[in-house]
Amino acid sequence: GAVVSQHPSRVICKSGTSVKIECRSLDFQATTMFWYRQFPKKSLMLMATSNEGSKATYEQGVEKDKFLINHASLTLSTLTVTSAHPEDSSFYICSASSIGTSGYEQYFGPGTRLTVT
Amino acid sequence: RKEVEQDPGPFNVPEGATVAFNCTYSNSASQSFFWYRQDCRKEPKLLMSVYSSGNEDGRFTAQLNRASQYISLLIRDSKLSDSATYLCVVNPEYGNKLVFGAGTILRVKS
Repeated sequence: GAVVSQHPSRVICKSGTSVKIECRSLDFQATTMFWYRQFPKKSLMLMATSNEGSKATYEQGVEKDKFLINHASLTLSTLTVTSAHPEDSSFYICSASSIGTSGYEQYFGPGTRLTVT
Repeated sequence: RKEVEQDPGPFNVPEGATVAFNCTYSNSASQSFFWYRQDCRKEPKLLMSVYSSGNEDGRFTAQLNRASQYISLLIRDSKLSDSATYLCVVNPEYGNKLVFGAGTILRVKS
């Protein structure tokens, strides 16, 4: 159980284009999903918290107009990187939250490696 | 001070060795604690939750010391496949966000 899928796994795009990444919880309903980015040899950095049916909550320093998040259903959240630039190249990972025996547990998607040329 | 701090390592150990990682957290009201494992260029995977009474899962033992605000992970009889980055993760008092440590690199060598 607790499987999260993410699509695409890898994308290369040209500077100025927009890229949409999908995150799905396959076998459970997730009222909350999270979006992270990770730079090489660094830890995960939370970008935003996505709640089904409401606006996402962005972390300080993350531009909401740059990283558009939509959480239209209990099993799907999307992150759109708008007008991508080379500095947006990173590993983007989503997670979906469920309550486990010791509190909230997060299960991660396999990640999307974005390269902006 | 970082919310979650870990020794980045790397810890280089031979197969069969016992290795321990520690992690400290700054928010005394933190509710839940976890160890995740992340392989190179992959997503983190939940290794185990950490309970107040300590818990064991096979070769892995996790302990929590609330008074000193640290969490530990002990790996016995290390295998080559244990080589990975181990992330200490804390659920602070506010909502269900998780705060990740930067990770400790473990390399098990034959």
